[in-house]
Amino acid sequence: SFELTQPPSVSVSPGQTATITCSADTLGDKNVCWYQQRPGQSPSVVIYKTAKRPSGIPERFSGSSSGNTATLTISGTQAMDEADYYCQAWDGGTGVFGTGTKVTVL
Amino acid sequence: QLQLQESGPGLVKPSETLSLTCTVSEGPISTTDSYWGWIRQPPGKGLEWIANIFYTGSTYYNPSLKSRVSVSVDTSKNRFSLGLSSVTAADTAVYYCARLLRNASNFYDYWGQGMLVTVSS
Repeated sequence: SFELTQPPSVSVSPGQTATITCSADTLGDKNVCWYQQRPGQSPSVVIYKTAKRPSGIPERFSGSSSGNTATLTISGTQAMDEADYYCQAWDGGTGVFGTGTKVTVL
Repeated sequence: QLQLQESGPGLVKPSETLSLTCTVSEGPISTTDSYWGWIRQPPGKGLEWIANIFYTGSTYYNPSLKSRVSVSVDTSKNRFSLGLSSVTAADTAVYYCARLLRNASNFYDYWGQGMLVTVSS
């Protein structure tokens, strides 16, 4: 299976854009989803199928992919977006989570 | 709204088997649009995928844990279970159960609250 690499941390000022990358040698055309995990809570999805937003997720969350890198973008970041974010993909029937990125809203 | 709840011992001795159950309520476990999964998170660390199971018993395992992991489903009780043998301190983690919405979606949409399992003598 493959490994998904994320930057350990991203800092952003309120109202600015946070960009989180997720890379793998063989990510290619695999679909990626992104989970947000606030302290003490279970993860919850913010993006699935690389760029789709589930019902109830604010439009400021968007996803994209190019080559072997998927990207989660948070536009107009708010204090409530401060959390850990994990990308996740499937290698056949086997799941792989990214290493995780802590987003700090300064 | 679907609910998932993990249960089991919170303390397991080294070399023994960790056993957890996830009870699903407000919805059937025998559904073709879902897999049921286990994910864990060591304290202060990231998420690790463990396994998925379909209501028919079909399973997928993390290759790095496959030799020690067993997942089963009990449709009559609407629950599924995780077994992890020969545990060590490295298996100390919060264990989550979750529903995987399959096909075009393929993401975990409902999660349990998580259960901390500590491996210690």
